[in-house]
Amino acid sequence: TQLLEQSPQFLSIQEGENLTVYCNSSSVFSSLQWYRQEPGEGPVLLVTVVTGGEVKKLKRLTFQFGDARKDSSLHITAAQPGDTGLYLCAGGEYAGKSTFGDGTTLTVKP
Amino acid sequence: KAGVTQTPRYLIKTRGQQVTLSCSPISGHRSVSWYQQTPGQGLQFLFEYFSETQRNKGNFPGRFSGRQFSNSRSEMNVSTLELGDSALYLCASSVLGTSTDTQYFGPGTRLTVL
Repeated sequence: TQLLEQSPQFLSIQEGENLTVYCNSSSVFSSLQWYRQEPGEGPVLLVTVVTGGEVKKLKRLTFQFGDARKDSSLHITAAQPGDTGLYLCAGGEYAGKSTFGDGTTLTVKP
Repeated sequence: KAGVTQTPRYLIKTRGQQVTLSCSPISGHRSVSWYQQTPGQGLQFLFEYFSETQRNKGNFPGRFSGRQFSNSRSEMNVSTLELGDSALYLCASSVLGTSTDTQYFGPGTRLTVL
């Protein structure tokens, strides 16, 4: 079974600060997804990265997939209260199953 | 295009009862996966269905079962409910369910067992 480790587990910052969340594994993944989840709701897909070294930008969010396709990072610039939520990374393992990290709970204070 | 829908959104049951949860995938998606999410265990894979066949199963007891219909809609059933089954049950769909496919999640069904 492939494992994904996310860090930090909790992050509380002030509005306007920058932050980076990490997702690491000893295994190679064909692709990695980042999701954001709000309490009581399902995870909402933010991005899928497929190619080693790939960088994708979504407004203030920058996602990077490691060259060896074993790790990924999510960087948020000038965080806003609306960014608050649980951030999950997930890797496709085999048919229909994704392995999820434990998540990073982000709180952005106004 | 409509997203993944799950019904009901909330459910309260007592120990020993059974429950059936429903999931309608995104149109054109043939793979449906089910996950259990709890604060202590995170998201854990239950099983995946493709073309009405269970292809993969996670490490859950036999009380957890599922099925998929010809229109790709899926149901999961939990029998003899236990307190520990209280969780958010998430359904996810993808086109073919390959390791490079992206899974799209529904809003979940919050099950509370009393």
